[in-house]
Parts: sequence; structure tokens; C-alpha cells
Amino acid sequence: AQRVTQPEKLLSVFKGAPVELKCNYSYSGSPELFWYVQYSRQRLQLLLRHISRESIKGFTADLNKGETSFHLKKPFAQEEDSAMYYCALRTGGGADGLTFGKGTHLIIQP
Amino acid sequence: DAGVIQSPRHEVTEMGQEVTLRCKPISGHDYLFWYRQTMMRGLELLIYFNNNVPIDDSGMPEDRFSAKMPNASFSTLKIQPSEPRDSAVYFCASSPRHGGNQPQHFGDGTRLSIL
Repeated sequence: AQRVTQPEKLLSVFKGAPVELKCNYSYSGSPELFWYVQYSRQRLQLLLRHISRESIKGFTADLNKGETSFHLKKPFAQEEDSAMYYCALRTGGGADGLTFGKGTHLIIQP
Repeated sequence: DAGVIQSPRHEVTEMGQEVTLRCKPISGHDYLFWYRQTMMRGLELLIYFNNNVPIDDSGMPEDRFSAKMPNASFSTLKIQPSEPRDSAVYFCASSPRHGGNQPQHFGDGTRLSIL
């Protein structure tokens, strides 16, 4: 069965410092990886997906199949980045349900 | 578009009672998902539907849980009888017809407390 691991429950960094939220997965096939974010008092929303190879709000994530990782990075953290971040995996080519990691609470200190 | 709408936002009830959670997906979305979030287990997929038909219910924890989607704009998740360990936040999400990597749009969730 597939699994997503986010080793850090809580990550606190200072404003302007680089951020890296770790995500590792276990799945024998070709996964589809996503990062979802939940800001305070808002609903869970998609941040980015690996297939798009996009940068959203300064965040990027590269799928490393050799290391089975999909770490989320941002070079300079901003206070508005404080939120819960969830890494998620989908195994099917269609709209199968997501397998989520347990999330990392990112706190950006001023 | 108001997005995925869930009701109620909060539910507090005594164990043994029937609980019904409701979800209205985004119009035009063919897929609907029910997730449960707890401190211990995080976000877990319970069941999902495609065109109102249940596709995978392997995440439904017990027979006490049931989900229906009578039409394209409405789904329910029922727990009968409810138990304290069912306390969690239940999320509904929908996505367009599959085309690879379609994002799921989440509702605000229902916070359920079983006393």
C-alpha cells in the first residue's frame, strides 16, 4: 500500500530564511504528487502539483524518484506562509482518492 | 461559485445517535470524495464516487458508516450508531472528470464530536 511521510510535525523559521518541508512516499508505480495548504480558518486548497512543474507563491517542489521524495521549498519565507502543509499522493491516472501525509505546521517568525 | 459546501459545520451529539453529514459538490464535477481527519491518523480517504456511483469504499471504517450520492449535487455520510471514537473533522471534496492531475476542491469540513 502507498504511504506518504512528512517527518516534521512542526517547522519554525524566521522571515527571510529558506524553507524546506520534507515529504517522502512509498509507492511502486508512477505516482502523482501534490502539495495542499490550509491557512488559518480557510479550507484545504491545492498549492502545487509535480506534473505542472510550476512555482506558486514562491514555492517549488521537485519529484525525485530515486529518493522517493517531493520536498517543498521556498528560498525566502514570508509571514503569510504560516499554515499547515500536506503532501499527497495519487496512484491512479484518473481521479482516485489522495493519500495524505500527516502534515507539517509551518510557522514563520517575524 | 461557492465551492464545495458542507453542512453542518459543527455537530455535537451523544453516542448511539445517528449522524448525517451533507455535501454539495461543485457543479459539473464528476468525482466526490469523503475524508476523515484525526490527530492520530491524519487525513484518510473514506470513500469516493464517480458520476454518483461509489468506486472505492475500502476506507470506510465499519458497517456503521454509509455514504450515498442520490444525484450529482448531493451526498451524505451517515454514522449509525455513533461512537466517541468517530469524533473527527470530516471533509468532502470534488474534482472534475479525470484528465490527469485534476485537483480536488475541499469543503470547510464538519467538526463532529460524539460525547
